[in-house]
Amino acid sequence: QQPVQSPQAVILREGEDAVINCSSSKALYSVHWYRQKHGEAPVFLMILLKGGEQKGHEKISASFNEKKQQSSLYLTASQLSYSGTYFCGTYSGNTGKLIFGQGTTLQVKP
Amino acid sequence: GAGVSQTPSNKVTEKGKYVELRCDPISGHTALYWYRQSLGQGPEFLIYFQGTGAADDSGLPNDRFFAVRPEGSVSTLKIQRTERGDSAVYLCASSLHAGISTDTQYFGPGTRLTVL
Repeated sequence: QQPVQSPQAVILREGEDAVINCSSSKALYSVHWYRQKHGEAPVFLMILLKGGEQKGHEKISASFNEKKQQSSLYLTASQLSYSGTYFCGTYSGNTGKLIFGQGTTLQVKP
Repeated sequence: GAGVSQTPSNKVTEKGKYVELRCDPISGHTALYWYRQSLGQGPEFLIYFQGTGAADDSGLPNDRFFAVRPEGSVSTLKIQRTERGDSAVYLCASSLHAGISTDTQYFGPGTRLTVL
């Protein structure tokens, strides 16, 4: 079952914050976040594990709510380089199969 | 070290032809994954290998699609009798282990397949 991401698109000014959500109808073992720029490969950002802590990397952090089967990605003080499409990928079992959401396109303007 | 590489970067073919797409994973990674990405969509799982064997091929759309990894390293995705609907970017990824939800998958740049 494909996770659902919201919003589908976000436009920000430099320095503004954004939140991207990823929800699943299935129990999740982990959530993986990637960013993809046009014409390039998806680049790994972070993993959120069941029972794990909130992860962070500079001004990008994420949380995982096991009860709601939902993860949120937080981008603070956005920079132009944050522009791209963000995908969450979910594991609902130790099957090796990562299922991706449809993506959230983020555009940061000067 | 080197990342995941894929060749060719672009492939244009005619409807009905056969194509092969190659993926060279990160050295030492036992797991290799194939995904297909259509415009405006997330990567769609096709198949993954643990070593030489296909551990899960449930995402292959039909029997025109086949993938091999004979020596547990390089993999080839083969598409027979191509159709216009096969046009997409085919992404390959690898991870250190297989079947573990905590392992990071590293993606290659993809092969853009266009079927005319």
